[in-house]
Amino acid sequence: KAGVTQTPRYLIKTRGQQVTLSCSPISGHRSVSWYQQTPGQGLQFLFEYFSETQRNKGNFPGRFSGRQFSNSRSEMNVSTLELGDSALYLCASSPGTGANSPLHFGNGTRLTVT
Amino acid sequence: AQSVTQPDIHITVSEGASLELRCNYSYGATPYLFWYVQSPGQGLQLLLKYFSGDTLVQGIKGFEAEFKRSQSSFNLRKPSVHWSDAAEYFCAVGETSYDKVIFGPGTSLSVIP
Repeated sequence: KAGVTQTPRYLIKTRGQQVTLSCSPISGHRSVSWYQQTPGQGLQFLFEYFSETQRNKGNFPGRFSGRQFSNSRSEMNVSTLELGDSALYLCASSPGTGANSPLHFGNGTRLTVT
Repeated sequence: AQSVTQPDIHITVSEGASLELRCNYSYGATPYLFWYVQSPGQGLQLLLKYFSGDTLVQGIKGFEAEFKRSQSSFNLRKPSVHWSDAAEYFCAVGETSYDKVIFGPGTSLSVIP
């Protein structure tokens, strides 16, 4: 069974631009979560989607948004990029929603904002 | 507020030596507990999880962890470390089946040949 696929692996953007990251979950998994990983803040929860509905949301500004499609694939969008948005963005899928459904992570998208 | 702490930022052990990585949490009830490992340039891989029952849980790659309610701890152990175990280790916690999972700051493990 294929794992979680995130595209692209690397992105370089300029301040003020916007970016869209994509995540394809493991087949059969209906939940997708997004995390931001930085050396200073560690892993910070962005949001979780289940059956196209946002179930949980972290403490990030409205510039960060996401969505999930009917095939469970998910995208996250960051508008008006700031230097501090440079990070590894990790997507994780799970069969169900909530803390009792273990997460399966992709290899991440490395975003660099210049 | 809910929190997860990993007191050791970095640990160095010799190959073949035993390992213990510490994790403490602050939650109201018995949480769902996890340990993940991240190799350079990779995503996170689940090592083991605890939901209920036997407080000593076995995971992949020879790892085990023990849940101690009285100490609010979930420490990860391995009797004999291999060079390939060098990686970043994250403890993670979720409070309810509807909750998001929160990760600790991570412990970086180096292994000396």
